[in-house]
Amino acid sequence: DIQMTQSPSSLSASVGDRVTITCRASQGINNYLVWFQQKPGKAPKSLIYAASSLQTGVPSKFSGSGSGTDFTLTISSLQPEDFATYYCQQYNSYPYTFGQGTKLEIK
Amino acid sequence: EVQLVESGGGLVQPGGSLRLSCAASGFTFSDYWMHWVRQAPGKGLVWVSRINSDGSSTSYADSVKGRFTISRDNAKNTLYLQMNSLRADDTAVYYCARAYSSGWYGYWGQGTLVTVSS
Repeated sequence: DIQMTQSPSSLSASVGDRVTITCRASQGINNYLVWFQQKPGKAPKSLIYAASSLQTGVPSKFSGSGSGTDFTLTISSLQPEDFATYYCQQYNSYPYTFGQGTKLEIK
Repeated sequence: EVQLVESGGGLVQPGGSLRLSCAASGFTFSDYWMHWVRQAPGKGLVWVSRINSDGSSTSYADSVKGRFTISRDNAKNTLYLQMNSLRADDTAVYYCARAYSSGWYGYWGQGTLVTVSS
């Protein structure tokens, strides 16, 4: 199985800040990586697919980059609605695997 | 509008069975692969199973293989997850998700809670 390691596991930031979350795969995943946002009690929402493509309707403040095994999600100009938990997931091979999540909290 | 609505969750004793359903609308259900993903309380997301568009091919996580069965009824636009021999560590919110052809999830249901406890 491909292991996905996210860092940090939690992050405190202020409104207006720019933050970066990283995700490392235990082997190459051909850029088959998606980033999700999840708020308490809600289903995940996809933000970025294919490592760097913005899902329709997602604001451009969210961006993804990386290739091979190392990927990043960057969120610029944080707003109160952005404080949530973020997950990466590889869909290169089964079993699909997720990172452990990064909880983004207001400082 | 794409909608996925799960149902069938509840409280079940260890060793018991439960069948989850996911009713799909707003798209041509028979064109898409479907998945189940679960999330234990306070924990992360875990992939459970997937089924191809006509139901002829399935995959399972090792943790549920031999106990869970994914299926679909394209005439009823409904995805199922039959869960047998349930254990306490199967306790989770179960989400159905629609996959694009490349494999990533564009749409999720709201989830249904399964609690395995005596």
